[in-house]
Amino acid sequence: QVQLQESGPGLVKPSETLSLICAVSGYSISSGYQWGWIRQPPGKGLEWIGSIYHGGSTYYNASLKSRVTISEDTSKNQFSLKLNSVTAADTAVYYCARDRIQDSFDYWGQGILVTVSS
Amino acid sequence: QSALTQPPSASGSPGQSVTISCTGTSSDVAAYNYVSWYQQHPGKAPKLMIYEVSKRPSGVPDRFSGSKSGNTASLTVSGLQAEDEADYYCSSYAGSNTYVFGTGTKVTVL
Repeated sequence: QVQLQESGPGLVKPSETLSLICAVSGYSISSGYQWGWIRQPPGKGLEWIGSIYHGGSTYYNASLKSRVTISEDTSKNQFSLKLNSVTAADTAVYYCARDRIQDSFDYWGQGILVTVSS
Repeated sequence: QSALTQPPSASGSPGQSVTISCTGTSSDVAAYNYVSWYQQHPGKAPKLMIYEVSKRPSGVPDRFSGSKSGNTASLTVSGLQAEDEADYYCSSYAGSNTYVFGTGTKVTVL
């Protein structure tokens, strides 16, 4: 069974960098699929942030592209998200998920709430 | 890349059917047969209910069905049950390995 688990700081100061890791079990991220990040501000809808394909190809939401970096660590079977220059508008629950490539997201982590506040 | 448009709310009595629309553009919903639907209960992660417009993942009841016409996709929940009360989001592939989600619909079982 594929399982994903997000981890990282729950509180980030404005203008700093948000860093999260998604640990994957039950499937090797180097075996296929893409791996993505999606966020959900409190009480609002879902927003796709970006995805990574094994080997390093990355795809980002145009609205966040200038601030986002997604990378992989195949030795640890995990991938990560970095979002720099954060503001209060970046406060959200951040989910990692398996991306079926040009299709849908079939396995999701439980989500992690990240609050941007001084 | 604007969010797909969904009605804020929908409701039905147990046993009835409810249909949720998801309107996009010629660059997303109309262009690709890669519309998916997610169910989200409060405080939980979204769950994939429909992919590729009308396909159901293993374990999803056949009460859930999807369709598409032009730039509008739809999710129908037949035989409504109490546990179907949740938020539902559509999503579409939008080209160049990008995705767009819908605004979300809260389904209430009366």
